[in-house]
Order: sequence, then C-alpha cells, then structure tokens
Amino acid sequence: NAGVTQTPKFQVLKTGQSMTLQCAQDMNHNSMYWYRQDPGMGLRLIYYSASEGTTDKGEVPNGYNVSRLNKREFSLRLESAAPSQTSVYFCASVGETQYFGPGTRLLVL
Amino acid sequence: GQQLNQSPQSMFIQEGEDVSMNCTSSSIFNTWLWYKQDPGEGPVLLIALYKAGELTSNGRLTAQFGITRKDSFLNISASIPSDVGIYFCAGHPNYGGATNKLIFGTGTLLAVQP
Repeated sequence: NAGVTQTPKFQVLKTGQSMTLQCAQDMNHNSMYWYRQDPGMGLRLIYYSASEGTTDKGEVPNGYNVSRLNKREFSLRLESAAPSQTSVYFCASVGETQYFGPGTRLLVL
Repeated sequence: GQQLNQSPQSMFIQEGEDVSMNCTSSSIFNTWLWYKQDPGEGPVLLIALYKAGELTSNGRLTAQFGITRKDSFLNISASIPSDVGIYFCAGHPNYGGATNKLIFGTGTLLAVQP
C-alpha cells in the first residue's frame, strides 16, 4: 500500500448526508481508480481517471461523483448517501500495475 | 459487469499444507494478477502474469497463466499462519476500453490453523 493514502479510514453517515472520500498518491502515476468492495462481490470499479483532468464511469457509478483535482489527488463524493452505499472503498494508483490504498470503511444508516 | 469465477470461496487448512486456488473466465484475458488482502488493508500484488503458459514463483507462491488465456491458478506451498487473508485473482480482459481496467474475482478466504 506504499504511496497511496486514503482519508478517512472510517465514517458513519445517515441516509441523505454527503461526504467526500480523499485519495492521494506520490508515485507520479497518471491513472487512478475508485473501487468498492462488498462481501462476495470482489472489487467493483466505480470511476477512474486515466490522466489529470479526465474521469470516466466504471461498472457501478450511480450515486457517486469524482474529481481529479491534480495528478496526485482523486476524490470520490457521495452527494446523498444511501444504505446501499455501505461498503469498503479502495483507491488505486496505476503504474505497471495497480497499487491500492488502505481503504475507507463507510456505514450508511 | 463481468467478474471472474474464483474457487474455492474459502479454505481452512493446517499449517504446513499446500494450497491451490484458481480463477476462470468465459473470455480471454491479456494479463492475470494475484493479490492478497490482509484484514483491514487494501489488496497487495503477489504475482503478475503476462503471457499464456507463463509460470512464475514468488517465494512459496507459484502462479500460472493458462494456455487458453481463460484461467489462472495460484499455489501456496507449506502454508504458515501469516498466509491468512483473502486472495483475489484479477485480469485485464482482451476487449476494448481503458487498457488498465482490471476485472476481479470474488476472492478466496484462506485460514491456516497453527
């Protein structure tokens, strides 16, 4: 997990609240990804950014927005959280392969 | 969305035993990767495979890229308690889109009894 940091580590929200998950990498990679991990589902791609200034939808983008603030930072925003968004969220930075952050554990009540 | 079929879902073994898990797909993949996830952490890359038939080792771990390009396996020899975790296969499919997109398996939970 070296080089990819995520904040916060844990978060509890009420339905309808908003929050932003932060991710930063110091490996000078162009591509960054956001995944969610649910039991029995593996990791599913939410959004990705192939380079600074570009973002694209992944497999499960509904209910999320992203911002590639600069080359280092890629944030994920939940505008109106729903219980179905309870999950563990991983950010990844992509060089010759994908390096994952430690994850953000989100509970939506 | 596509996911890889990974088996077994879980394994409970004694320390010292060998372990084997595999991953299959209905379509061709260009790369296969094996990750390990420790509790409360993100996945960490163990082995990367880039061509059909490739057999690669990393210590007690050995992985192979299937000849058909639709499967891969991971073997762990002489398991130890710190091998505990969830193992994920992942791969880059051979169809259009962002070349760095990974498809993940559903994971194999490994428990090792000392």
